Amino acid sequence: EVQLVQSGAEVKKPGESLKISCKVFGYSFTKYWIGWVRQMPGKGLEWMGIIYPGDSDTRYSPSFQGQVTISVDESISTAYLQWSSLKASDTAIYYCVRRMVESSSLSGKVYYFYFGMDVWGPGTTVTVSS
Amino acid sequence: DIVMTQSPLSLPVTPGEPASISCRSSQSLLYSDGNNYLDWYLQKPGQSPHLLIYLGSNRASGVPDRFSGSGSGTDFTLKISRVEVEDAGVYYCMEALQTPGTFGRGTRLEIK
Repeated sequence: EVQLVQSGAEVKKPGESLKISCKVFGYSFTKYWIGWVRQMPGKGLEWMGIIYPGDSDTRYSPSFQGQVTISVDESISTAYLQWSSLKASDTAIYYCVRRMVESSSLSGKVYYFYFGMDVWGPGTTVTVSS
Repeated sequence: DIVMTQSPLSLPVTPGEPASISCRSSQSLLYSDGNNYLDWYLQKPGQSPHLLIYLGSNRASGVPDRFSGSGSGTDFTLKISRVEVEDAGVYYCMEALQTPGTFGRGTRLEIK
């Protein structure tokens, strides 16, 4: 069964660092992009960034560039989201999600087929408070 | 950046009645491959979001056929033919033309 298993809830103080994780089960980790989505209390969904585990190609949304770091450890099929110095405004639920794209080769050309953000993790609640 | 605008923001619906949510993008989501890179997601209370529709009109696996997506370019619609109690939650459209994409602000569907 395909699953994204996220690390547990965290309570931190402003200025502290944090690294949360998303472990993949049930498919080849390097095959699909893994993204991170923030949901602040009572608010909507915001894309933070996305990484391709096969080559660590990483794209950040402009609002989050320089604020967080997304990385992977291919050896343990795990993606990470980290902060070097948390703020109270980082209090939120953070979801990891798989971006499903299949590829096919025909006559030397590669075709890509997009199937949506099809698998979501349960979310990690991060609370930052003094 | 692409801006996604959903309407309405709140939608009260009686079970058995139809519902419709609109999503407009600030630029065309029609790509050169002929697909519209627009998804719909539902977040039920206390749950993670899940995929309903991808590429504008393709139902994800396991999604009931009362859900349908339509539209092209910059204007898209999600329709529920007959709303059920379990359909309550917040519906988000998302452009997938960019990597990563952009979500709309969400439409809260409330069961009357």
